[in-house]
Amino acid sequence: KNEVEQSPQNLTAQEGEFITINCSYSVGISALHWLQQHPGGGIVSLFMLSSGKKKHGRLIATINIQEKHSSLHITASHPRDSAVYICAATQETSGSRLTFGEGTQLTVNP
Amino acid sequence: NAGVTQTPKFRILKIGQSMTLQCTQDMNHNYMYWYRQDPGMGLKLIYYSVGAGITDKGEVPNGYNVSRSTTEDFPLRLELAAPSQTSVYFCATMGQSNTGELFFGEGSRLTVL
Repeated sequence: KNEVEQSPQNLTAQEGEFITINCSYSVGISALHWLQQHPGGGIVSLFMLSSGKKKHGRLIATINIQEKHSSLHITASHPRDSAVYICAATQETSGSRLTFGEGTQLTVNP
Repeated sequence: NAGVTQTPKFRILKIGQSMTLQCTQDMNHNYMYWYRQDPGMGLKLIYYSVGAGITDKGEVPNGYNVSRSTTEDFPLRLELAAPSQTSVYFCATMGQSNTGELFFGEGSRLTVL
């Protein structure tokens, strides 16, 4: 079992739908990152969370430390949101190393 | 402010050749990382550094070497390239160990034939 697991692995949505991607982790963490990777492209940091909730435009990220769970929500999804979304955890015991989930491939159809 | 700069973006190597992937950052970040990403797979940590003069192995260090003589530069050396090293390589930085945002380079696509 991976220390950081994402679900679903693949997600297809229609434009305008509300999307949720989940990330569960089994280790103590000091921070949780959400990253976005477009096909053939680089990796961009969307959020870094240690507690609570953050919002940026149509993207919202939440984290529940007690349940060891984080979610990334996309409201009013658009085809340009199609990308791989990756969660990564900075472990408490190794503050400089990150553990990555396998990623969620999101496709938003017009 | 360039952020994280990786070169080259693309390279084809023959088996047994060596090369260096360059990574430079201008954010004065202490933490730097090299990852590889194989097709359809997640990121695997090759090496990382918590500051100038300090490096450590990640999950998949075999066949690679790094150095960190300055805060800005963290080159990754491939010795005796093998087809198994065909991958996309990403350099990343983080300002602080547990509260910093991650910044990635654009990636270097390496093919070993």
